[in-house]
Amino acid sequence: QSALTQPASVSGSPGQSITISCTGTSSDVGGYNYVSWYQQHPGKAPKLMIYEVSNRPSGVSNRFSGSKSGNTASLTISGLQAEDEADYYCSSYTSSSKVFGGGTKLTVL
Amino acid sequence: EVQLVESGGGLVQPGGSLRLSCAASGFTFSSYDMHWVRQATGKGLEWVSAIGTAGDTYYPGSVKGRFTISRENAKNSLYLQMNSLRAGDTAVYYCARVGRVARKAYDYWGQGTLVTVSS
Repeated sequence: QSALTQPASVSGSPGQSITISCTGTSSDVGGYNYVSWYQQHPGKAPKLMIYEVSNRPSGVSNRFSGSKSGNTASLTISGLQAEDEADYYCSSYTSSSKVFGGGTKLTVL
Repeated sequence: EVQLVESGGGLVQPGGSLRLSCAASGFTFSSYDMHWVRQATGKGLEWVSAIGTAGDTYYPGSVKGRFTISRENAKNSLYLQMNSLRAGDTAVYYCARVGRVARKAYDYWGQGTLVTVSS
């Protein structure tokens, strides 16, 4: 299965909001409400930020939110902070397997 | 505290084999699906294999027939046997737990172990 499509990079200033898109197909993103988002800082393991499209794990800031429309999921980060600068990956369940997006590098200006 | 600790990575020649291990602690290992995910340097995440609580296994086409995932619940351990290794298998390999609240998502990850396939 092909990777999900994410923009290579996004940027924003502290305090602003940004949105990262994740486009798949009806066989993955559009077919299941099992989209998750991960944050990865350099040299570190990924961290779960959003699961089942829009749910936040305990301990994740409410500045992070997720949504989905059709075959495209989105991660929105509001009130950008310097520590949000990282790579972000979306992922979807698809028929007994998993597929990831190519990743988006978020730069906080 | 949930912990996942990978080991077994290293340098191996093309065509060689390597067995990765992931030691789990802080939770009832037998009750969770477990996956392996890899990341080549500077690249994105790639799902490598999955094993369910009943021992059912799943693989993407890129590793099917070459990699074998297994688990030993009595030892709280996850394994990945990698055969016929290729240069393209060079990556950091992470073991990851699939959540029961965060369904179909990885709620905990190990720190990763580096596999380098090169002559």
